Amino acid sequence: GENVEQHPSTLSVQEGDSAVIKCTYSDSASNYFPWYKQELGKRPQLIIDIRSNVGEKKDQRIAVTLNKTAKHFSLHITETQPEDSAVYFCAASNPSGGSYIPTFGRGTSLIVHP
Amino acid sequence: DSGVTQTPKHLITATGQRVTLRCSPRSGDLSVYWYQQSLDQGLQFLIQYYNGEERAKGNILERFSAQQFPDLHSELNLSSLELGDSALYFCASGNTDTQYFGPGTRLTVL
Repeated sequence: GENVEQHPSTLSVQEGDSAVIKCTYSDSASNYFPWYKQELGKRPQLIIDIRSNVGEKKDQRIAVTLNKTAKHFSLHITETQPEDSAVYFCAASNPSGGSYIPTFGRGTSLIVHP
Repeated sequence: DSGVTQTPKHLITATGQRVTLRCSPRSGDLSVYWYQQSLDQGLQFLIQYYNGEERAKGNILERFSAQQFPDLHSELNLSSLELGDSALYFCASGNTDTQYFGPGTRLTVL
């Protein structure tokens, strides 16, 4: 089955700095890669996603890049703000049997210091 | 707000008991997914239903079961509860690859 590794487990930055979270996956059939932000005790919230037919996607201060050959994808947050502090999860999924069951990374706790 | 609703928000019960968690998907979504998130753990996929039928199974214990009703809401039944079942239980809904999560039910087993 799919295996997703996520690094780092904790990331501490100063407000205004950039933050990068990296994930690798093992199944070359995976073609959908969402990123979720989860604040303490709250639901995972989809913040950006990318499909395997593109290499990069941006949404304001957030961008995701995908390297299919190397099987890795990354989340980039620029001009970080204290409200960006949360746990971020990456995931990889493929349409196996019509089901898109994501395999999640173990999460990165991002701390943005004012 | 994702449009996915879950009840109850919190549930406190004793070991050996049985509980039912409820999820209503976003309007138009046919798939419901259930996940378990334990303290300091990631999201573990339990089971998926699509338009009333079981579509995929993950790491779901035999003590746990689920179903999806004709109005597409879903229930997750947890029985013979153990201390280790204490966790956040999320449902998510979607139609293809994108999933939207509900607010979760926090289950505490004492």
